[in-house]
Amino acid sequence: DAGVTQSPTHLIKTRGQQVTLRCSPISGHKSVSWYQQVLGQGPQFIFQYYEKEERGRGNFPDRFSARQFPNYSSELNVNALLLGDSALYLCASSLHSNQPQHFGDGTRLSIL
Amino acid sequence: GIQVEQSPPDLILQEGANSTLRCNFSDSVNNLQWFHQNPWGQLINLFYIPSGTKQNGRLSATTVATERYSLLYISSSQTTDSGVYFCAGTGANSKLTFGKGITLSVRP
Repeated sequence: DAGVTQSPTHLIKTRGQQVTLRCSPISGHKSVSWYQQVLGQGPQFIFQYYEKEERGRGNFPDRFSARQFPNYSSELNVNALLLGDSALYLCASSLHSNQPQHFGDGTRLSIL
Repeated sequence: GIQVEQSPPDLILQEGANSTLRCNFSDSVNNLQWFHQNPWGQLINLFYIPSGTKQNGRLSATTVATERYSLLYISSSQTTDSGVYFCAGTGANSKLTFGKGITLSVRP
């Protein structure tokens, strides 16, 4: 079975632009979570979705938003990009909202 | 939310040596997981271990939930073990919180 897949793998944007990152969970997993990892730090929780509903939100500004689709895939949107948004964005899926999480390979976002 | 402390922050080993990595939590956690992040950024699941002891090859982990800590043991280390090791746990708010990681370098 395929693991968690994320697209694109790399992305370069300029300040002020908007970006959409995509994630497909492991088949059968209904929960998807998003994390931001800046260089030298551990991943920081952004959002969790379960059955298309937001179950948790981390300490990120409203420029960050997400949604989950009926097929359980998910998108993370970031508006008005800042230099500080440059990071590795990781998606994880789990069977339910309180189960072990499995991570994709991430999208590396660079803001110029 | 919970705080996660990992120690030591950095570790340098000679190939073949053993090591112990520690993770302390500020509060009770469930869904405790250990991960290895390789140089390409991939986050690999090592253990899901909310309590007890598990072993997988040269790696083993023990969690003492009542004392809010977990240990990861690496035996006969290899250069491919190099990378960053993270522990993470879910507290009452169901958010998976990571420590800052332990950077392991295994020298041939």
